[in-house]
Amino acid sequence: GNSVTQMEGPVTLSEEAFLTINCTYTATGYPSLFWYVQYPGEGLQLLLKATKADDKGSNKGFEATYRKETTSFHLEKGSVQVSDSAVYFCALISGGYNKLIFGAGTRLAVHP
Amino acid sequence: DAGVTQSPTHLIKTRGQQVTLRCSPKSGHDTVSWYQQALGQGPQFIFQYYEEEERQRGNFPDRFSGHQFPNYSSELNVNALLLGDSALYLCASSFYDSRLAGHSTDTQYFGPGTRLTVL
Repeated sequence: GNSVTQMEGPVTLSEEAFLTINCTYTATGYPSLFWYVQYPGEGLQLLLKATKADDKGSNKGFEATYRKETTSFHLEKGSVQVSDSAVYFCALISGGYNKLIFGAGTRLAVHP
Repeated sequence: DAGVTQSPTHLIKTRGQQVTLRCSPKSGHDTVSWYQQALGQGPQFIFQYYEEEERQRGNFPDRFSGHQFPNYSSELNVNALLLGDSALYLCASSFYDSRLAGHSTDTQYFGPGTRLTVL
């Protein structure tokens, strides 16, 4: 079946450090891929998405490239801020209906 | 333009009781999906409503049921509550474009969630 695997957290970085959160997936067909972010006590916010192979999604300095050959969608940011501290979820949709399948989430803590 | 709204924000119930959670989708959206997020885990799909019918269902027992109204708002009902039902319940809305059927590109927008605690 379809599934998403994320690197385990927590990831702890100093401000202005480079961020990578790994995400790999298993899916039939051609899934769409998403990164959502959840700040403490809040719901999920869409961060970025990519709908076909080699697409790059980007938003607020975050980027992720849809790599079909490695079934990956790693999240990157060149310089993190304290305000980026949150839980990040990789997710996919595959098939005719919009059933999102999420990874377990990766907690990011950024210190000044 | 209001986003997805959910009510109530928090809810405390006891085992065996029943609960109803409510969701209003983002303006222009016609599809509502419900997810359960247990503490420290990723959200799990419960079901999805479109045109007032349950279109797809995840691996949840029949104690979980829902409804969608003509104005596209939705309710999630849980009967015979168990301790394990304690979680954050998230509603997500999207627009189903039939021209893209089978391509799965519609983006879901989430509400702030309802925190359910079962004692």
